[in-house]
Amino acid sequence: QQQVKQSPQSLIVQKGGISIINCAYENTAFDYFPWYQQFPGKGPALLIAIRPDVSEKKEGRFTISFNKSAKQFSLHIMDSQPGDSATYFCGTVGSARQLTFGSGTQLTVLP
Amino acid sequence: GAVVSQHPSWVICKSGTSVKIECRSLDFQATTMFWYRQFPKQSLMLMATSNEGSKATYEQGVEKDKFLINHASLTLSTLTVTSAHPEDSSFYICSARSGARAGTEAFFGQGTRLTVV
Repeated sequence: QQQVKQSPQSLIVQKGGISIINCAYENTAFDYFPWYQQFPGKGPALLIAIRPDVSEKKEGRFTISFNKSAKQFSLHIMDSQPGDSATYFCGTVGSARQLTFGSGTQLTVLP
Repeated sequence: GAVVSQHPSWVICKSGTSVKIECRSLDFQATTMFWYRQFPKQSLMLMATSNEGSKATYEQGVEKDKFLINHASLTLSTLTVTSAHPEDSSFYICSARSGARAGTEAFFGQGTRLTVV
């Protein structure tokens, strides 16, 4: 069963634009929500993460918005750059500390 | 952030042979290590979770006799793909975590591309 649903599957944005990726989860016991960035042939790297007691977290151009009641969270990339072109995965972590990934979003930022 | 080193980064082996992949935490002690498999253009699927000094816990559908995991020390875990077949060709990624507190980050290795011919 899919514990976290991620959309869109792919996204094309012009340089300088805003990239938005969404995730929805079902299990209210999750207590940690990270976003990972993965380049081809590399392992994923943590981009930004949030805990459910916070509704928003911003680090540079990256912002997580968290809606606990809707069980949704999203990644916003401001001023998107061609170097941001990668695959992005949302994740959920629960009491067992296992990280479950969303299906991934392939982001392409056009120059 | 902490560094997790995975070796080799790629390997080609003949069908029927075994391949060992190493995952090392270089600057922290990893109480828990995770092994993932990723097929092209797909997400990472958790294969197993291992805690130092104990047997690994495998996810449903993962053959524990085929994918042998050893976590003998706090800095090293190994995944051995036994009697590899072409369908085992995939990108294998490990991650390591140093603690169990909520929000403790898991650090990922760079992955190993396995091709079975």
